[in-house]
Amino acid sequence: NAGVMQNPRHLVRRRGQEARLRCSPMKGHSHVYWYRQLPEEGLKFMVYLQKENIIDESGMPKERFSAEFPKEGPSILRIQQVVRGDSAAYFCASSPPLAGDHEQYFGPGTRLTVT
Amino acid sequence: GQQVMQIPQYQHVQEGEDFTTYCNSSTTLSNIQWYKQRPGGHPVFLIQLVKSGEVKKQKRLTFQFGEAKKNSSLHITATQTTDVGTYFCAGFYGQNFVFGPGTRLSVLP
Repeated sequence: NAGVMQNPRHLVRRRGQEARLRCSPMKGHSHVYWYRQLPEEGLKFMVYLQKENIIDESGMPKERFSAEFPKEGPSILRIQQVVRGDSAAYFCASSPPLAGDHEQYFGPGTRLTVT
Repeated sequence: GQQVMQIPQYQHVQEGEDFTTYCNSSTTLSNIQWYKQRPGGHPVFLIQLVKSGEVKKQKRLTFQFGEAKKNSSLHITATQTTDVGTYFCAGFYGQNFVFGPGTRLSVLP
């Protein structure tokens, strides 16, 4: 059973470009969470999704950031017009269908660098 | 909003010494989870505590959940160099998790 997959592992973008981060949850998992981590800091919740639904996006910046988890395919975190402050590690985690309070399985993360 | 605090921020110990990190929530938790993240790695689930006053052990690790379900602790007995990393608690508030800032553990051989 493959773990949570994220790609790309490293992404370099110039200011103003778009960044697309992908997350494929573990097989059988229908809940996906996205977190952002700055160096030497903790994980900041961004968004919680189920298939075709955004459950909680209270941690997402109101502008430039969006997330989706379509019926088919990976979950996508999209950052438009990136700025230097967007440089961080972005982790996604998945959990089983009964979740909310189940353990989260984290992917290896995408390290975004904005130049 | 909900806040989760952890102390200490950093801890340096000699191999063989014990280590404890404490987690405190501003409000009552439904449950709490603990994760470990090695340098350059991703968080790995360690345990979940649900019941008031619950204590769970995993080899040299002991996890406690406070009676009021607002605090928790992780204790490592006789640390080893493999224990190096950042330990995060994550409080569940009904819909999503709020992670503490973590305690970074260094173990000197």
